Amino acid sequence: DGGITQSPKYLFRKEGQNVTLSCEQNLNHDAMYWYRQDPGQGLRLIYYSQIVNDFQKGDIAEGYSVSREKKESFPLTVTSAQKNPTAFYLCASSTSITETQYFGPGTRLLVL
Amino acid sequence: EDQVTQSPEALRLQEGESSSLNCSYTVSGLRGLFWYRQDPGKGPEFLFTLYSAGEEKEKERLKATLTKKESFLHITAPKPEDSATYLCAVRSYGQNFVFGPGTRLSVLP
Repeated sequence: DGGITQSPKYLFRKEGQNVTLSCEQNLNHDAMYWYRQDPGQGLRLIYYSQIVNDFQKGDIAEGYSVSREKKESFPLTVTSAQKNPTAFYLCASSTSITETQYFGPGTRLLVL
Repeated sequence: EDQVTQSPEALRLQEGESSSLNCSYTVSGLRGLFWYRQDPGKGPEFLFTLYSAGEEKEKERLKATLTKKESFLHITAPKPEDSATYLCAVRSYGQNFVFGPGTRLSVLP
């Protein structure tokens, strides 16, 4: 089955700790995205990548970092510089940045 | 700057009671309007893409329509399993997707 997987489902971060969220897709999509979802707000774009080894900042990139070494994978690191990391994180992919985005199941990040 | 608003914020319907959700948008040049369904604790599920005013698309009890300023998601004879948050997003030329805050729909048996 083709799709997008995210892991873990829940992640706990201690103060000062960097954590990495995994996103993998087997849809052969070129573009991948990371969004943050907070209650009562629309999805906000953190980073996106159109092709391997290239990525761009979205609207709220501060405190986050990404890499795109493989077409299938787009991990997101939440660094200690992100002071309010508690949120639901969603990964998405599309054939190109102009086309429909398809989402993974999400990772909920909580701060201890 | 592209903007998307959705109304109402929450909607409670009785099973079988048809209604509509609204998505109003302001963009410089619409490239596409997208509807998604999101269940609690899960990722959004794609429903429809609309590209130009006058376009309509249907799927089971859902019908999406598009004008130059807004889109409606019509729900005909809803069932409890239609309960979810419905998200609207727009993409304009040269811009990333912009999502609205969603409408929380509850359908009571």
